[in-house]
Amino acid sequence: AQSVTQPDIHITVSEGASLELRCNYSYGATPYLFWYVQSPGQGLQLLLKYFSGDTLVQGIKGFEAEFKRSQSSFNLRKPSVHWSDAAEYFCAVGAVSGNTPLVFGKGTRLSVIA
Amino acid sequence: DVKVTQSSRYLVKRTGEKVFLECVQDMDHENMFWYRQDPGLGLRLIYFSYDVKMKEKGDIPEGYSVSREKKERFSLILESASTNQTSMYLCASRTRNQPQHFGDGTRLSIL
Repeated sequence: AQSVTQPDIHITVSEGASLELRCNYSYGATPYLFWYVQSPGQGLQLLLKYFSGDTLVQGIKGFEAEFKRSQSSFNLRKPSVHWSDAAEYFCAVGAVSGNTPLVFGKGTRLSVIA
Repeated sequence: DVKVTQSSRYLVKRTGEKVFLECVQDMDHENMFWYRQDPGLGLRLIYFSYDVKMKEKGDIPEGYSVSREKKERFSLILESASTNQTSMYLCASRTRNQPQHFGDGTRLSIL
C-alpha cells in the first residue's frame, strides 16, 4: 500500500539554526515526491518537487530536499531557519504517470524560537 | 499561476442542513479533489474527479457527495450536516504529472 510517514509530529528550532524534516515513503511505482507548507488558516503551498534527474532539488524560500531511493526518503532541509518558517509541513508522493491523488503524510509542525 | 478558489473561508451551519462547498479552478485541470483536515489526522481524501461528471470515492466518502457539471467547478455536498463534519475542507486541482494546487480552505462549523 502507498504511504508516507513523517516521524516527527512537532519540531522546535532556534532562529538561525539548521532544519531537517524527515519523510519516508512506500510506493509501488516510480514516485513523484513533493513538499508542501501550510501557514495557519491557509491552504497548502508547494515548496518543491522531485520528478527525476538530480536527487537534490531546490525549492522556494531557501528549502531543499534530497531523494534517496535506497532509503525511500525525501528529507527537507534548510540551512538557517527564519521565524516566518513556522508552519506545518507535508510530504506527499504520487505516481509518475496517471491522475491518481497524491498520498500525504500527517505533517510536521515547525515552531521557531528566538 | 494556478488559482483554486473556494467560495467561503468560514461557514457556520446547523445540524441537519444541506451544505454546499464550492471550488473553482482557472487552469483547465482535469483532476479535482476534496480533502478534510483535522488536527493529528492530516489530510484525508473525501472524493476526487478526473473528468466532468466523473467521480471517485476517496478514503472517507461517507456523509458526503460531489458534483462536477463543468470542468472548472467541483462541489462538495454534505447531505445532512452533522457535528462530526466540523473541519477544515481543502480543494485541490491537478493536471497529469503535475503537483496539486490547493485553495485557501473553508473552515466549516456545524452547530
